[in-house]
Amino acid sequence: NAGVTQTPKFQVLKTGQSMTLQCAQDMNHNSMYWYRQDPGMGLRLIYYSASEGTTDKGEVPNGYNVSRLNKREFSLRLESAAPSQTSVYFCASSEEYKVVTQYFGPGTRLLVL
Amino acid sequence: AQSVTQLDSQVPVFEEAPVELRCNYSSSVSVYLFWYVQYPNQGLQLLLKYLSGSTLVKGINGFEAEFNKSQTSFHLRKPSVHISDTAEYFCAVSDRWSGGSNYKLTFGKGTLLTVNP
Repeated sequence: NAGVTQTPKFQVLKTGQSMTLQCAQDMNHNSMYWYRQDPGMGLRLIYYSASEGTTDKGEVPNGYNVSRLNKREFSLRLESAAPSQTSVYFCASSEEYKVVTQYFGPGTRLLVL
Repeated sequence: AQSVTQLDSQVPVFEEAPVELRCNYSSSVSVYLFWYVQYPNQGLQLLLKYLSGSTLVKGINGFEAEFNKSQTSFHLRKPSVHISDTAEYFCAVSDRWSGGSNYKLTFGKGTLLTVNP
């Protein structure tokens, strides 16, 4: 039981390049989330998927798109990377989109030059 | 919308000393509170949570937290810390998102606990 997995672990991009961050969970959870973590800012929600087939914007969605590919997988896409998107990205999942525990992946460190 | 304030960005302590990491949240009718820990270069792991019932909540690794509604606080404590407790600790509150039926977690900015020998 791997929990929440994320790929890649680390990525360097040039401004304007695109990339997709992958996330998968094997806990049969309905809800999945993407956060970014910046020094001194805590975690901020980018997008979430309350259930398979639905996605919604979080606090900081600009510059990102998401796809809930199936119940297990939730990807985050940067269409045209900017230096302001340099961050650590975490995927999380929970049984339902309610007051329950979220389980986090190990993170993807992204550097945009 | 909820907000979470972690009053100390860094807390250095010596091994075997007690520690308290402070967290205050903005008031709400009902509130659900969490503490997460992030070890270096890892994701976040749940330490403990308060949903209802007893205001003293025990978590993993000997940590506990007390929900104080009148003070709107949820401070994290451990009576004797170890070197291995060195990590960043995040307080979070769950609240409704955009007035609807969905919930989201709002995180504090984190407290870096450094345990020195």
